[in-house]
Amino acid sequence: QSALTQPASVSGSPGQSITISCTGTSSDIGTFNLVSWYQQHPGKAPKLIVSEVSKRPSGVSDRFSGSKSGNTASLTISGLQPEDEADYYCCSYAGRTTLAYVFGTGTTVAVL
Amino acid sequence: QVQLQESGPGLVTPSETLSLTCTVSGASFSTYSWSWIRQPAGGGLEWIGRIYSHGDPTYNSSLKSRVTMSVDTSKKQFSLKVTSVTAADTAVYYCARDIYGSGSYFDYWGQGTLVTVSS
Repeated sequence: QSALTQPASVSGSPGQSITISCTGTSSDIGTFNLVSWYQQHPGKAPKLIVSEVSKRPSGVSDRFSGSKSGNTASLTISGLQPEDEADYYCCSYAGRTTLAYVFGTGTTVAVL
Repeated sequence: QVQLQESGPGLVTPSETLSLTCTVSGASFSTYSWSWIRQPAGGGLEWIGRIYSHGDPTYNSSLKSRVTMSVDTSKKQFSLKVTSVTAADTAVYYCARDIYGSGSYFDYWGQGTLVTVSS
């Protein structure tokens, strides 16, 4: 099972909106509505920001939103803020008969 | 609040066995499943495997032949062993609570522990 494909980097100015794509296959994203997104600042552990495609955990800003179409999931950050500068990873359940979870390749978000 | 803490040697000799333990506090250990995830320096995240409080581990197929996970419910701990390690196993290792079966995501993570494979 290969890693999900994400753009290496995305950038935007403060206040803008950006979208990070996460492309998988019909064996993972295309079949299961079980995509999660994680934010990771340098030297820190990843933090859950979206689960089950579009659910936000308590305490996560509503500037973060998730969606899915076919084999591609997306994370949109609206009203970009300096503290959003971090690495972002998507993750999908990939079925019990395979490796169960597959992560994305990761995207570095730069706030210009 | 829920806290996870990894512990174990930070340096492992090539061909030897990497052993790590994760201690959970502030959560009902028996209600959830628990996973190990690793991240090489400058690289992405890789799921290693999951274990329930009653056992029944599931491993990443790419690591299955070298990985063993176990659990000690009385101590609220779960452990990871990776045999025959090489430099490619050098990474930060995280333990995480795995909301498997009702969402499939990791909601709490340990701070991570760096394991270096070197002679």
